[in-house]
Formats: sequence, structure tokens, C-alpha cells
Amino acid sequence: SQTIHQWPATLVQPVGSPLSLECTVEGTSNPNLYWYRQAAGRGLQLLFYSVGIGQISSEVPQNLSASRPQDRQFILSSKKLLLSDSGFYLCAWSVRVASGGLYEQYFGPGTRLTVT
Amino acid sequence: AQKITQTQPGMFVQEKEAVTLDCTYDTSDQSYGLFWYKQPSSGEMIFLIYQGSYDEQNATEGRYSLNFQKARKSANLVISASQLGDSAMYFCAMREPGGAGSYQLTFGKGTKLSVIP
Repeated sequence: SQTIHQWPATLVQPVGSPLSLECTVEGTSNPNLYWYRQAAGRGLQLLFYSVGIGQISSEVPQNLSASRPQDRQFILSSKKLLLSDSGFYLCAWSVRVASGGLYEQYFGPGTRLTVT
Repeated sequence: AQKITQTQPGMFVQEKEAVTLDCTYDTSDQSYGLFWYKQPSSGEMIFLIYQGSYDEQNATEGRYSLNFQKARKSANLVISASQLGDSAMYFCAMREPGGAGSYQLTFGKGTKLSVIP
């Protein structure tokens, strides 16, 4: 069965510090990978998605970046955090299909980031 | 423009009763998918049910069913026989075309369901 891991579970970082959140998927190959952010009391906002190693698409311009160094590893980074970066970050994976695709996305447990 | 609308910020339901959570959507695509996710206080997003735009039957998964009315662009979630463990945030989401081999989900703002014993 497939599992998705995220770490750390919680993080408190000062403004201006760097960030690295990691997501790994087990039990599947060539997944699509996604990073979402959820502000308090809000829905999810897609930040980045990836269809393969080194292939990153950004949905929202900001001071965050993403990388996919391995097939089942997805990393969210920042060089200098802002207060507005606080939120709940969720990684998700889905099956990759040739065109379109209506398969559900499965989410990891999330990382709660507080920027102070 | 908002593509997924959930008009109920919060809902209460008596244990063992049924409850309907509303979701309307806006798209010009002919092929699309609608999803419902549950988010308990722990934060994880749990996939509940999926409805494809070409599916003729309403989707059902155990106590969950999706009341899909294509002409009205609504995809309401019905939870039958509510349980205390159903208390959570519920999000409606719609698939949008992404890059090759991918798709993106657009989420509504969610409905907080509270089940009363």
C-alpha cells in the first residue's frame, strides 16, 4: 500500500530564517506530487506540483520554492521566511496518467509552520 | 472568480441523523471531477468520495453519497447516520486541467460539521 510522509510535524521559525520541508511517498512509482498551504480556517491553496524529477510548476508567485530531487521526494524551501508564510503545509500525491486524469489525491499528515 | 462555493461555514447535526453539505461549482469544461475531503482536527485530509462529470449514477461510499445535479452545478455531500467521529471540516474540490499528466484541485472554503450526541 502507498504511504506519504511529511516532516517535521510542527515547526516554529523566526522571520528571515530558511525553511526546508520534506515529503516522501512509498509504495508507488512516478507519482504526481503537490504542495498545498492552508491558512487558518481556510481552504487549501495549491503552491507547486511536479510530474517528474526536476519538473516543478508554480501556481502562486512567492518566496517559496520546490524541488524534486528523486522520484518520490518533494521538498518545499524558502531562503527567508515571512510572517505570511505561517500555515499548514500539506503534501499530496496522485497517480500520473497520460492525459487529464480524475484520480484522487492522497494527502500527507501535514506540517504546521509558525513564523514568529 | 470563485470556482467552488460552500455556503455553510458551520453545520450541526444530531447523532444518527442524516446531513447534507452543500457545494456548487463553476466550470466551462465538459470533463471534470468533484471530490469531497474530510479534515479532522488533526489536520490530515481524508479522501471521501469522487464524482466524474460523465458518471450517470450518483457516487456512494458507505455512509457517504454525493447528490450530483449537473444542470444546477451542484455536488452536495450526504452523510447518513451521523457519528460523533464525523465532526470535522469538509471540503469540496474540483479537478482543473493541469500540465501534461497532472491535474490540480481547487478547494472550497469548507464546512465545519459538528455532530451532537
